[in-house]
Amino acid sequence: RKEVEQDPGPFNVPEGATVAFNCTYSNSASQSFFWYRQDCRKEPKLLMSVYSSGNEDGRFTAQLNRASQYISLLIRDSKLSDSATYLCVVNPRQAGTALIFGKGTTLSVSS
Amino acid sequence: EPEVTQTPSHQVTQMGQEVILRCVPISNHLYFYWYRQILGQKVEFLVSFYNNEISEKSEIFDDQFSVERPDGSNFTLKIRSTKLEDSAMYFCASTPSGRAVSGANVLTFGAGSRLTVL
Repeated sequence: RKEVEQDPGPFNVPEGATVAFNCTYSNSASQSFFWYRQDCRKEPKLLMSVYSSGNEDGRFTAQLNRASQYISLLIRDSKLSDSATYLCVVNPRQAGTALIFGKGTTLSVSS
Repeated sequence: EPEVTQTPSHQVTQMGQEVILRCVPISNHLYFYWYRQILGQKVEFLVSFYNNEISEKSEIFDDQFSVERPDGSNFTLKIRSTKLEDSAMYFCASTPSGRAVSGANVLTFGAGSRLTVL
Protein backbone atom coordinates (compact mmCIF):
# COMPACT_ATOMS: atom_id res chain seq x y z
CA ARG A 1 0.00 0.00 0.00
CA LYS A 2 1.34 3.44 -0.94
CA GLU A 3 2.19 5.73 1.96
CA VAL A 4 -0.16 8.47 0.81
CA GLU A 5 -2.64 7.67 -1.90
CA GLN A 6 -4.87 10.03 -3.85
CA ASP A 7 -7.15 9.72 -6.83
CA PRO A 8 -5.13 11.50 -9.55
CA GLY A 9 -8.20 12.78 -11.37
CA PRO A 10 -8.50 14.98 -13.30
CA PHE A 11 -11.66 16.38 -11.80
CA ASN A 12 -13.32 18.63 -14.37
CA VAL A 13 -16.05 20.78 -12.82
CA PRO A 14 -17.95 23.95 -13.76
CA GLU A 15 -17.62 27.14 -11.80
CA GLY A 16 -19.75 27.09 -8.68
CA ALA A 17 -19.58 23.33 -8.25
CA THR A 18 -18.70 21.56 -5.04
CA VAL A 19 -15.91 19.03 -5.33
CA ALA A 20 -14.38 16.63 -2.83
CA PHE A 21 -10.97 15.01 -2.81
CA ASN A 22 -9.99 12.00 -0.76
CA CYS A 23 -6.69 10.74 0.51
CA THR A 24 -5.64 7.66 2.47
CA TYR A 25 -2.42 7.14 4.38
CA SER A 26 -0.79 3.92 5.45
CA ASN A 27 0.95 4.78 8.71
CA SER A 28 -1.54 4.76 11.57
CA ALA A 29 0.93 6.62 13.79
CA SER A 30 0.94 9.66 11.49
CA GLN A 31 0.74 12.88 13.42
CA SER A 32 0.15 15.85 11.17
CA PHE A 33 -1.79 16.29 7.99
CA PHE A 34 -1.94 18.98 5.38
CA TRP A 35 -3.39 19.94 2.05
CA TYR A 36 -1.01 21.77 -0.26
CA ARG A 37 -1.87 23.30 -3.59
CA GLN A 38 0.54 23.14 -6.52
CA ASP A 39 0.14 25.09 -9.74
CA CYS A 40 1.83 23.76 -12.85
CA ARG A 41 5.63 23.84 -12.47
CA LYS A 42 5.39 25.88 -9.27
CA GLU A 43 6.17 25.15 -5.67
CA PRO A 44 3.65 23.53 -3.32
CA LYS A 45 1.85 26.10 -1.19
CA LEU A 46 0.10 25.29 2.06
CA LEU A 47 -3.65 25.40 1.64
CA MET A 48 -4.54 24.26 5.13
CA SER A 49 -3.51 22.01 7.97
CA VAL A 50 -5.98 19.28 8.86
CA TYR A 51 -7.05 18.84 12.45
CA SER A 52 -8.84 15.93 14.11
CA SER A 53 -11.96 17.98 14.70
CA GLY A 54 -12.10 19.08 11.09
CA ASN A 55 -11.50 22.64 10.04
CA GLU A 56 -12.81 25.15 7.58
CA ASP A 57 -11.20 28.08 5.82
CA GLY A 58 -13.67 29.99 3.69
CA ARG A 59 -14.80 27.71 0.87
CA PHE A 60 -12.43 24.93 1.92
CA THR A 61 -13.22 22.26 4.51
CA ALA A 62 -10.81 19.55 5.60
CA GLN A 63 -11.71 16.42 7.53
CA LEU A 64 -9.59 13.74 9.17
CA ASN A 65 -10.72 10.25 10.06
CA ARG A 66 -7.92 8.60 12.03
CA ALA A 67 -9.74 5.29 12.39
CA SER A 68 -10.02 4.93 8.61
CA GLN A 69 -6.72 6.74 7.94
CA TYR A 70 -8.56 9.01 5.58
CA ILE A 71 -8.34 12.74 4.85
CA SER A 72 -10.71 14.78 2.73
CA LEU A 73 -10.86 18.23 1.21
CA LEU A 74 -14.12 19.83 0.17
CA ILE A 75 -14.17 22.90 -2.07
CA ARG A 76 -17.45 24.75 -2.32
CA ASP A 77 -18.42 27.28 -5.00
CA SER A 78 -15.42 26.43 -7.18
CA LYS A 79 -13.62 29.31 -8.90
CA LEU A 80 -11.54 29.25 -12.06
CA SER A 81 -8.57 30.11 -9.87
CA ASP A 82 -9.02 26.88 -7.93
CA SER A 83 -7.66 24.96 -10.93
CA ALA A 84 -4.50 23.29 -9.62
CA THR A 85 -3.17 20.04 -8.25
CA TYR A 86 -4.06 19.37 -4.63
CA LEU A 87 -1.48 17.46 -2.63
CA CYS A 88 -2.31 15.41 0.44
CA VAL A 89 0.65 15.54 2.80
CA VAL A 90 1.36 13.58 5.96
CA ASN A 91 3.98 13.76 8.69
CA PRO A 92 4.28 10.10 9.63
CA ARG A 93 6.27 10.50 12.84
CA GLN A 94 5.77 12.45 16.02
CA ALA A 95 9.14 14.16 15.83
CA GLY A 96 9.48 13.76 12.13
CA THR A 97 10.80 16.32 9.72
CA ALA A 98 10.17 14.34 6.53
CA LEU A 99 6.77 14.97 5.02
CA ILE A 100 5.25 12.34 2.76
CA PHE A 101 3.43 13.69 -0.25
CA GLY A 102 0.69 12.12 -2.28
CA LYS A 103 0.97 12.39 -6.02
CA GLY A 104 -1.85 14.88 -6.08
CA THR A 105 -5.34 15.28 -7.49
CA THR A 106 -5.76 17.60 -10.44
CA LEU A 107 -8.73 19.95 -10.50
CA SER A 108 -9.84 21.86 -13.56
CA VAL A 109 -12.61 24.42 -13.11
CA SER A 110 -14.21 25.71 -16.28
CA SER A 111 -16.57 28.60 -17.01
CA GLU B 1 5.38 38.08 3.13
CA PRO B 2 8.71 36.39 3.95
CA GLU B 3 9.83 33.91 1.34
CA VAL B 4 12.38 31.24 0.62
CA THR B 5 14.62 32.28 -2.28
CA GLN B 6 16.32 29.80 -4.60
CA THR B 7 18.95 30.18 -7.30
CA PRO B 8 19.35 29.33 -10.08
CA SER B 9 15.81 28.97 -11.32
CA HIS B 10 17.01 26.63 -14.06
CA GLN B 11 20.34 24.91 -14.58
CA VAL B 12 21.38 22.69 -17.46
CA THR B 13 24.42 20.52 -16.92
CA GLN B 14 26.25 17.61 -18.47
CA MET B 15 26.15 14.20 -16.85
CA GLY B 16 29.01 13.79 -14.40
CA GLN B 17 29.30 17.47 -13.59
CA GLU B 18 28.95 18.92 -10.09
CA VAL B 19 25.99 21.15 -9.37
CA ILE B 20 25.33 23.47 -6.44
CA LEU B 21 21.81 24.71 -5.80
CA ARG B 22 21.44 27.65 -3.47
CA CYS B 23 18.71 28.68 -1.09
CA VAL B 24 18.11 31.55 1.30
CA PRO B 25 15.57 30.35 3.88
CA ILE B 26 13.22 32.67 5.71
CA SER B 27 15.43 34.67 8.06
CA ASN B 28 14.13 33.58 11.47
CA HIS B 29 13.55 29.94 10.49
CA LEU B 30 15.67 27.26 12.11
CA TYR B 31 15.03 24.08 10.10
CA PHE B 32 15.89 23.77 6.43
CA TYR B 33 14.95 21.13 3.89
CA TRP B 34 15.49 19.95 0.37
CA TYR B 35 12.79 18.15 -1.55
CA ARG B 36 12.75 17.14 -5.18
CA GLN B 37 10.05 16.50 -7.75
CA ILE B 38 10.76 14.58 -10.93
CA LEU B 39 8.46 15.77 -13.73
CA GLY B 40 5.06 14.18 -13.36
CA GLN B 41 5.94 12.53 -10.08
CA LYS B 42 5.30 13.29 -6.42
CA VAL B 43 7.32 15.59 -4.21
CA GLU B 44 9.98 13.58 -2.36
CA PHE B 45 11.88 14.41 0.82
CA LEU B 46 15.67 14.49 0.52
CA VAL B 47 17.10 15.95 3.73
CA SER B 48 16.44 18.16 6.73
CA PHE B 49 19.07 20.29 8.42
CA TYR B 50 19.24 21.93 11.82
CA ASN B 51 21.98 23.52 13.84
CA ASN B 52 24.57 22.89 11.13
CA GLU B 53 23.97 19.19 10.84
CA ILE B 54 21.71 16.80 9.00
CA SER B 55 18.65 15.99 11.06
CA GLU B 56 17.09 13.39 8.79
CA LYS B 57 17.68 12.09 5.27
CA SER B 58 15.96 9.78 2.84
CA GLU B 59 17.36 6.87 0.86
CA ILE B 60 17.52 9.18 -2.16
CA PHE B 61 20.10 11.33 -0.36
CA ASP B 62 23.12 9.14 -1.02
CA ASP B 63 26.83 9.95 -1.05
CA GLN B 64 26.42 11.99 -4.23
CA PHE B 65 24.47 14.59 -2.29
CA SER B 66 25.63 16.97 0.41
CA VAL B 67 24.22 20.02 2.14
CA GLU B 68 25.93 22.95 3.73
CA ARG B 69 25.18 26.22 5.41
CA PRO B 70 28.31 28.13 4.41
CA ASP B 71 27.27 31.38 6.07
CA GLY B 72 24.41 32.81 8.10
CA SER B 73 21.97 33.02 5.25
CA ASN B 74 22.66 30.48 2.49
CA PHE B 75 21.77 26.79 2.47
CA THR B 76 23.16 24.74 -0.40
CA LEU B 77 22.58 21.36 -1.99
CA LYS B 78 25.51 19.88 -3.88
CA ILE B 79 25.27 17.00 -6.30
CA ARG B 80 28.80 15.75 -6.91
CA SER B 81 28.46 13.85 -10.16
CA THR B 82 25.09 14.35 -11.77
CA LYS B 83 23.19 11.53 -13.42
CA LEU B 84 20.38 11.71 -15.95
CA GLU B 85 17.93 10.64 -13.25
CA ASP B 86 18.85 13.67 -11.12
CA SER B 87 16.86 15.81 -13.55
CA ALA B 88 14.09 17.26 -11.42
CA MET B 89 12.78 20.35 -9.70
CA TYR B 90 14.58 20.83 -6.39
CA PHE B 91 12.66 22.70 -3.72
CA CYS B 92 14.22 24.27 -0.66
CA ALA B 93 11.96 24.78 2.34
CA SER B 94 12.13 25.98 5.91
CA THR B 95 10.14 25.86 9.14
CA PRO B 96 10.19 28.38 11.99
CA SER B 97 11.15 26.13 14.83
CA GLY B 98 10.89 22.78 16.45
CA ARG B 99 11.57 19.39 15.04
CA ALA B 100 8.20 18.17 13.90
CA VAL B 101 6.47 19.72 10.94
CA SER B 102 2.96 20.38 12.17
CA GLY B 103 0.04 22.74 11.94
CA ALA B 104 1.89 25.10 14.23
CA ASN B 105 5.21 24.69 12.43
CA VAL B 106 4.42 24.70 8.75
CA LEU B 107 6.74 24.14 5.85
CA THR B 108 7.24 26.99 3.37
CA PHE B 109 8.75 26.17 -0.02
CA GLY B 110 10.87 28.21 -2.36
CA ALA B 111 10.01 28.51 -6.04
CA GLY B 112 12.41 25.72 -6.94
CA SER B 113 15.48 25.15 -9.06
CA ARG B 114 14.91 23.10 -12.19
CA LEU B 115 17.89 20.87 -12.93
CA THR B 116 18.26 19.33 -16.36
CA VAL B 117 21.05 16.78 -16.80
CA LEU B 118 22.01 16.00 -20.40
